Amino acid sequence: ETGVTQTPRHLVMGMTNKKSLKCEQHLGHNAMYWYKQSAKKPLELMFVYNFKEQTENNSVPSRFSPECPNSSHLFLHLHTLQPEDSALYLCASSQGQGAGETQYFGPGTRLLVL
Amino acid sequence: GQNIDQPTEMTATEGAIVQINCTYQTSGFNGLFWYQQHAGEAPTFLSYNVLDGLEEKGRFSSFLSRSKGYSYLLLKELQMKDSASYLCAVRDDNFNKFYFGSGTKLNVKP
Repeated sequence: ETGVTQTPRHLVMGMTNKKSLKCEQHLGHNAMYWYKQSAKKPLELMFVYNFKEQTENNSVPSRFSPECPNSSHLFLHLHTLQPEDSALYLCASSQGQGAGETQYFGPGTRLLVL
Repeated sequence: GQNIDQPTEMTATEGAIVQINCTYQTSGFNGLFWYQQHAGEAPTFLSYNVLDGLEEKGRFSSFLSRSKGYSYLLLKELQMKDSASYLCAVRDDNFNKFYFGSGTKLNVKP
């Protein structure tokens, strides 16, 4: 248990559906991250929030829409996804963004787009 | 572009020592991280290097050579529970950016 929770753990959705992924951290951290992990590929950083402000958008398609209402919660809103978006979506948090700051990862949401 | 290379898979015997290598070519560098990820679970932090040399943490050690763009993770006295994927990640000068390798799947056999 890393102090970062994600719901749902598994999600199956059609290409026309709209769904949201939720991440919550109980560590008092100020920075939160969304990553995509596809089979046999490196973890890809998608978005970074620091003190609720988005500080990084790594050229992510607009069908992925993040939301960070406060430092403890992070959402990823999904709409009109493609089958190639099927992957494990990991949330992480860190105390700040200083050198050496360790990221703590949640267990991920396994997404399947049909 | 950014490039982080690790072997895809390795096999070692319980009780032995294994070294997992990582080479990187990135536009900037502000630290190298190693994470362990068991199947179906979250990656968990193992070690961090920002200066050249060896960092030791119990059975796990990590080495960095910035001039060579090279790191390794050394696991001693292997246990069956060490069977997992090991991820190498480089932090860019832009502290927001992390670049991960594809991970090395380590199989520990009895």
